Amino acid sequence: QVQLQESGPGLVKPSETLSLTCTVSGSSITGVYFWGWIRQSPGKGLEWIGSIYNGVSTYYNPSLQSRVTISGDTSKNQFSLKLNSVTAADTAVYYCARRAPATRGIDYWGQGTLVTVSS
Amino acid sequence: DIQLTQSPSFLSASVGDRVTITCRASQGISSYLAWYQQKPGKAPKLLIYAASTLQSGVPSRFSGSGLGSEFTLTISSLQPEDFATYYCQQLNTYPLDFGPGTKVDIK
Repeated sequence: QVQLQESGPGLVKPSETLSLTCTVSGSSITGVYFWGWIRQSPGKGLEWIGSIYNGVSTYYNPSLQSRVTISGDTSKNQFSLKLNSVTAADTAVYYCARRAPATRGIDYWGQGTLVTVSS
Repeated sequence: DIQLTQSPSFLSASVGDRVTITCRASQGISSYLAWYQQKPGKAPKLLIYAASTLQSGVPSRFSGSGLGSEFTLTISSLQPEDFATYYCQQLNTYPLDFGPGTKVDIK
């Protein structure tokens, strides 16, 4: 059974770096799947942040690209998100997720973790 | 970027109703479209992928259709557990953006 679990601070100060880790079980991050991050601001829709493939190749949303890094740790079967220079607009529930190749969509999601940006 | 619009943004319906939600892409995306259902406080759930393929375990009252730039999600007979927000997502080109969502509420 595939499971994803986000972890990291729930409160980040403005201008600092948001760091989250997703621990994956039941599926390898070096396999055929894409592993990524999606966020949802309170009461708003879903925003695709970016993804990593085979633990190395990364794809980012241009709207966040200058501030985002997604990386993988194959030894721990984890992948991480770093978002620099955060503001209140980055307050959101952050989901990690698995996407199957081509047309198959995001088939597994973490439960989500709320990150609040506030001093 | 490919822009997605959904209509309606909100709909009020009764149990047993047939419900149709439309997703339009700003350019053709072949069949690279997925539909998700999200309930409050929960992660989205994949319903349909490749525009019309039902994800394993999803009830058959859900169906999807479309190709190119116009797509529909249909719920043939709305059930109490179907009241939720529905999102489409294009998987053709990065960034893999989502539509703005359609909230289905109880009439």
